[in-house]
Amino acid sequence: AQSVSQHNHHVILSEAASLELGCNYSYGGTVNLFWYVQYPGQHLQLLLKYFSGDPLVKGIKGFEAEFIKSKFSFNLRKPSVQWSDTAEYFCAVAYSGAGSYQLTFGKGTKLSVIP
Amino acid sequence: AAGVIQSPRHLIKEKRETATLKCYPIPRHDTVYWYQQGPGQDPQFLISFYEKMQSDKGSIPDRFSAQQFSDYHSELNMSSLELGDSALYFCASSLVVSGRLQETQYFGPGTRLLVL
Repeated sequence: AQSVSQHNHHVILSEAASLELGCNYSYGGTVNLFWYVQYPGQHLQLLLKYFSGDPLVKGIKGFEAEFIKSKFSFNLRKPSVQWSDTAEYFCAVAYSGAGSYQLTFGKGTKLSVIP
Repeated sequence: AAGVIQSPRHLIKEKRETATLKCYPIPRHDTVYWYQQGPGQDPQFLISFYEKMQSDKGSIPDRFSAQQFSDYHSELNMSSLELGDSALYFCASSLVVSGRLQETQYFGPGTRLLVL
């Protein structure tokens, strides 16, 4: 079965520090890749997505991610985090062979930003 | 812009009762998905519908059923509720055209179900 792994369970950073959250997936075929953010008690909000084209994608709130096909990776980055970025971040993959493109999520990375 | 609407937002039930969750997708989206997120867990795919037909099935218990209606809204019916069904239930919608994903999944605010 296809799977998504996120390298870090919990990341603690000070404000203005740079962020990189790792994400790897197992499927070798065509994929659509996503990062979602979930603030405490809130629903999932789309940060960014990759369908095709430029492997470096920019999202909302200053986040970006790079798709490296050879490494099956889609890492999330932000050059300078803010306290308001404290949330849980989920990497997700939709496989082209999965009929309706349902998402398979990683276990999530909890980000805590210290003021 | 219109978003995915879910109702109710909160629901408290007792064991062995039934519950019905509703989802109204973004207008013109043709695909609806249901996910279950347990406490501290990642969302798990339950079931999806494309153009009112069941499209894919994930880890949905036999006690649960779902359907999509002519106006594209969907309902998740849960019977014989168990304590372990307590979770956040998300609905999402997307646009799939000719078998290709045209728009990503946007999630609703979720229904928080507590089974006592």
